[in-house]
Amino acid sequence: ELKVEQNPLFLSMQEGKNYTIYCNYSTTSDRLYWYRQDPGKSLESLFVLLSNGAVKQEGRLMASLDTKARLSTLHITAAVHDLSATYFCAVDDGGAQKLVFGQGTRLTINP
Amino acid sequence: EAQVTQNPRYLITVTGKKLTVTCSQNMNHEYMSWYRQDPGLGLRQIYYSMNVEVTDKGDVPEGYKVSRKEKRNFPLILESPSPNQTSLYFCASSLGLAGGSGELFFGEGSRLTVL
Repeated sequence: ELKVEQNPLFLSMQEGKNYTIYCNYSTTSDRLYWYRQDPGKSLESLFVLLSNGAVKQEGRLMASLDTKARLSTLHITAAVHDLSATYFCAVDDGGAQKLVFGQGTRLTINP
Repeated sequence: EAQVTQNPRYLITVTGKKLTVTCSQNMNHEYMSWYRQDPGLGLRQIYYSMNVEVTDKGDVPEGYKVSRKEKRNFPLILESPSPNQTSLYFCASSLGLAGGSGELFFGEGSRLTVL
């Protein structure tokens, strides 16, 4: 059974700092997704990573995928308050026709 | 505008009173799915559908039914709701995990409270 674990689960950081959120998964998969959720809102797609070594960047966020290590990272550069949200990674469990989500990382960025 | 639309967005009901949460997408997606989100448990898949008239159970299907009579609609039915079905529900769609990138597009969510 595919399991997806994120860490940390809670992260409080100051504006201007850099940090990384980690997403580990337990069985082979070549597809990984990052989503953002604001309180009480829906999930917004951030990145789609479809192969080993894939790297995507959007503004202050950069995501990468290492399928051999079964690890994805979401790196935040020079954080700003607007990035405060909960971030989820999700892994394609193709055989079960679903995405398996991590627990989410609640990120709070303080001025 | 490409979107997944759920209704109702908020609902308070009582145990045993049948209810339906509707979901409609306008992106001609073949794959649709329902998830529930609970604190500490993340998102868990309830049911999914790979195409019209093709549905299957996810991880937590007990107490739910679905149907897929048309490509755009995928309603979630709670025949006899119980308090443990109090949750935030999301409908999602995609081109398909095999044929497309597998990226899921989510509806706005339906917050259900069962008293």
